[in-house]
Amino acid sequence: AQTVTQSQPEMSVQEAETVTLSCTYDTSESDYYLFWYKQPPSRQMILVIRQEAYKQQNATENRFSVNFQKAAKSFSLKISDSQLGDAAMYFCAYRRGTSYGKLTFGQGTILTVHP
Amino acid sequence: GAVVSQHPSRVICKSGTSVKIECRSLDFQATTMFWYRQFPKQSLMLMATSNEGSKATYEQGVEKDKFLINHASLTLSTLTVTSAHPEDSSFYICSATGLSYNEQFFGPGTRLTVL
Repeated sequence: AQTVTQSQPEMSVQEAETVTLSCTYDTSESDYYLFWYKQPPSRQMILVIRQEAYKQQNATENRFSVNFQKAAKSFSLKISDSQLGDAAMYFCAYRRGTSYGKLTFGQGTILTVHP
Repeated sequence: GAVVSQHPSRVICKSGTSVKIECRSLDFQATTMFWYRQFPKQSLMLMATSNEGSKATYEQGVEKDKFLINHASLTLSTLTVTSAHPEDSSFYICSATGLSYNEQFFGPGTRLTVL
């Protein structure tokens, strides 16, 4: 079975600084997707970034980028120029290749942004 | 992005009663819907996967007779918590995906409190 591990229950960062959230996963599949979701206090799940396993290039979405190390099964999220609105719980998630597949979530990391 | 709604956003009920939660895809046909349960500051736990017109597939440990899921149309799935008890109090989130989509779209969640 696939597992996703986030080893940082809580992280904090100063506004305008950079922070990296860690995620590791375990799978025997070769075709899969990895995601980072943000859950603010409203509890609405928001997709931050997606990485296809077959792509070597790391995904980037504005201030958000990932470091995808396929051999090490590591998928970290870097948030640059942190903003107060980035404060939320962040979840790393795994999905097998099919688009109808279920997501396996990590435990989550609570990110606090200090002004 | 595609929009998923949930109704009600919060519900309070007495122990022993049944509660129905609706999940609707507003602007796309949801061939597959997912139901999650989330406790405070914890991760999302997948309860079941439903495909339109088919019986739901429940995750191990989820009581099928207690959590009834119906995906009767391409835009609506319902979760009925039967004979609710205080331990069923939680935050329930649905998500949906469809043809040509490569991600799940999440509803805003429903907070259930059983007295």
